[in-house]
Amino acid sequence: QKEVEQDPGPLSVPEGAIVSLNCTYSNSAFQYFMWYRQYSRKGPELLMYTYSSGNKEDGRFTAQVDKSSKYISLFIRDSQPSDSATYLCAMTRPPETSGSRLTFGEGTQLTVNP
Amino acid sequence: ETGVTQTPRHLVMGMTNKKSLKCEQHLGHNAMYWYKQSAKKPLELMFVYNFKEQTENNSVPSRFSPECPNSSHLFLHLHTLQPEDSALYLCASSQAGWMGGANVLTFGAGSRLTVL
Repeated sequence: QKEVEQDPGPLSVPEGAIVSLNCTYSNSAFQYFMWYRQYSRKGPELLMYTYSSGNKEDGRFTAQVDKSSKYISLFIRDSQPSDSATYLCAMTRPPETSGSRLTFGEGTQLTVNP
Repeated sequence: ETGVTQTPRHLVMGMTNKKSLKCEQHLGHNAMYWYKQSAKKPLELMFVYNFKEQTENNSVPSRFSPECPNSSHLFLHLHTLQPEDSALYLCASSQAGWMGGANVLTFGAGSRLTVL
């Protein structure tokens, strides 16, 4: 069983839609949860990260963590064609147990159509 | 130059060739990483260097040989590769010795490797 499950999509939405991207995980020791965005022919770039459970908002993006369900989400409001990319979730255990190891999901390919 | 720079961006090699991938970071970080990204698979961590010392080798075959001469430069030497090694190889850097916070990686654009 994979430690992190992410639906690879592809997901196609019209401009202006609310997008919901999700990951589930099996290891309850994960404490830091991140979302990376990867444009075509580019490396992943950090979009947001959250610690433990709760919500974090940054502009049109909201990251949500539910540790009791082992479920994380990224919401994109008023989606734009420039949001078209692959979104990767990533998570890590406390540094004393995992060193520098991030565990990534497979990535969800998103296309926002004008 | 800013961020993490990888060269070459594209590489085609035969199974008997020897080639190298280069990564340079201008962020003042002291941890560097090699990841392999294949289609329909999660990013796979290959190697980690902290302060020029290798701290993780994720059971990578010996045909991949990393080198980290200083905290700003990282190489991946390639020899006798297999077609299944074709992938995007990503270099990343971060601030080593992170405690109590997220280990935020900054990635390069990657080197697309094709093994014939």
